[in-house]
Amino acid sequence: DSGVTQTPKHLITATGQRVTLRCSPRSGDLSVYWYQQSLDQGLQFLIQYYNGEERAKGNILERFSAQQFPDLHSELNLSSLELGDSALYFCASSGSMAGRGNEQFFGPGTRLTVL
Amino acid sequence: AQSVAQPEDQVNVAEGNPLTVKCTYSVSGNPYLFWYVQYPNRGLQFLLKYITGDNLVKGSYGFEAEFNKSQTSFHLKKPSALVSDSALYFCAVRDVPNDYKLSFGAGTTVTVRA
Repeated sequence: DSGVTQTPKHLITATGQRVTLRCSPRSGDLSVYWYQQSLDQGLQFLIQYYNGEERAKGNILERFSAQQFPDLHSELNLSSLELGDSALYFCASSGSMAGRGNEQFFGPGTRLTVL
Repeated sequence: AQSVAQPEDQVNVAEGNPLTVKCTYSVSGNPYLFWYVQYPNRGLQFLLKYITGDNLVKGSYGFEAEFNKSQTSFHLKKPSALVSDSALYFCAVRDVPNDYKLSFGAGTTVTVRA
């Protein structure tokens, strides 16, 4: 158990809908990262937050957004969903200043299926 | 831009034999290198990392990896593989100090037969 929790575990929804994925980092970790894992794209970095502020952006679509709250949990919002958004979404966290050199600890993931 | 290559989609070994999973990287700065393992329907588990210092890094579950700067490689090794080592292995790199994110390779599926 990495100490990172993600809810829900599974999510099935229809095209055009909006969903919210939730992540609670390990106790004390200030950085939260979101990744998308799909068969065709592999593991792709989406976005990072550090202590409530956006720190880095990767291949995140404009239809997707995220935020980190004062209690350090994070939410990833996916809107206008398309079939191609079906994937496993991971949250990871790391500690200390910006997580430099520190390994990231991954949650169990949320499997999103868009029908 | 930073990147990682795992040249083998699959590695098959017999239990008790040495296991090697290959990884090469490309960064503009100094690399921080990581290995993760993913079991079916599970998240990624951290195995080991190279930050600086000794080129041979020891990690969890008997795994080790050797950093080779001249060959830009970071191969994962285990002297004697177990059936329970069968899983999907990812190499990842962080380009320091230019970036915070991890860039992952495509993954290598390891199958250890009894």
